[in-house]
Amino acid sequence: DSGVTQTPKHLITATGQRVTLRCSPRSGDLSVYWYQQSLDQGLQFLIQYYNGEERAKGNILERFSAQQFPDLHSELNLSSLELGDSALYFCASSASKREALTDTQYFGPGTRLTVL
Amino acid sequence: AQKVTQAQTEISVVEKEDVTLDCVYETRDTTYYLFWYKQPPSGELVFLIRRNSFDEQNEISGRYSWNFQKSTSSFNFTITASQVVDSAVYFCALSEAGRDSWGKLQFGAGTQVVVTP
Repeated sequence: DSGVTQTPKHLITATGQRVTLRCSPRSGDLSVYWYQQSLDQGLQFLIQYYNGEERAKGNILERFSAQQFPDLHSELNLSSLELGDSALYFCASSASKREALTDTQYFGPGTRLTVL
Repeated sequence: AQKVTQAQTEISVVEKEDVTLDCVYETRDTTYYLFWYKQPPSGELVFLIRRNSFDEQNEISGRYSWNFQKSTSSFNFTITASQVVDSAVYFCALSEAGRDSWGKLQFGAGTQVVVTP
């Protein structure tokens, strides 16, 4: 158990819909990262938040957005869903003080999204 | 461009055999980190090891060992005396410390390891 929690574990929805994935980082971790794992793209970095602020952006679609709240939990919002958005979405957290070099990221169990 | 290459798609071994997973990376940064993660059939991603670019000392941790060679940009990982529970997909990942890359993990495509009794 990494200490990172993600809900829900599974999500099945229809095209055009909007969903919200939730992540709670390990106690004390300030950084949250979101990754997408799909068969054709592999594991891709989406976005990172550090202490409530967006820190880095990767291959995240405009239909997707995220935020990190004052209690440090994070939500990933996916809208206008398409069949190709079906994937396993991981959240990871790390201590990552702003001035520090890269810390180890610990991953949650993932949310499996199926778009029908 | 793919920055982390895992050329082996699948490796099948019999229990107690050693397994070596290859990883080749590409970066212009002088400071970077390399990781190995394991994804068992249950789906979670489990951190295994981490190495920074300034430390080429190879180590052994239990049944795991790694061989980091900057000269060839390789970070290979070995499981000694494999067990059925080692069956999983293993990912090599790179994190560059440059300002635009800070914190982002770039994963290879993964190598499926199948250990049969």
